[in-house]
Amino acid sequence: LVMTQTPLSLSVTPGQAASISCKSSQSLLHSDGRTYLFWYLQKPGQSPQLLIHEVSNRFSGVPDRFSGSGSGTDFTLKISRVETEDVGVYYCMQGIHLPQITFGPGTKLEIK
Amino acid sequence: EVQLVQSGGGLVQPGGSLRLSCAASGFTFTNHWMHWVRQAPGSGLEWVSRIDFRGTISTYADSVRGRFTISRDNARNTLYLQMNSLRVEDTAVYYCARDLIWNAPDYWGQGTLVTVSS
Repeated sequence: LVMTQTPLSLSVTPGQAASISCKSSQSLLHSDGRTYLFWYLQKPGQSPQLLIHEVSNRFSGVPDRFSGSGSGTDFTLKISRVETEDVGVYYCMQGIHLPQITFGPGTKLEIK
Repeated sequence: EVQLVQSGGGLVQPGGSLRLSCAASGFTFTNHWMHWVRQAPGSGLEWVSRIDFRGTISTYADSVRGRFTISRDNARNTLYLQMNSLRVEDTAVYYCARDLIWNAPDYWGQGTLVTVSS
């Protein structure tokens, strides 16, 4: 299974919106009816942090400017109004197609 | 507060061994699968291994299978990664992480650098 992300980098003015696409080579819809696609942010010099679980659910403490959408094989992470603290690398991830647990290549967000 | 505090790591020669530890607190350790994920310098995230609640089921990435062993001591709330036959390409920051659901980590350790070099 392959996870792809576009773009691989983007530069955004604070206050503007940003969008990252993630595509999976296989559907992430599980037989239980739920879709297991996750988004992480790794800020410079820090460990990754979970932003979104199961496509669209914000993890504890994640600001509501972050939102996730999509289904099947195509997913999107949107930041409604980028702030300087949002810089870092964003990864999508799947864990239902075992044995390989797969992260996307990452999208680097920088501030203009 | 969920905490995962890592120790171990360092510089080792090719062919050598190293053991990483990850001490968990702030949650019921036995309720969660656990993972190791690594990140080579300048690269993305690579899943390494996972282990079930009791330590009876473990799986590995192809790149480390047969060389690395994941284990846990539930009495000590600690996760381990024994790394043998280390290669230069194993050089990376290694993270332990707690499983949320379907192999997706929610909380991560601070990371520990393993450098394999002669």
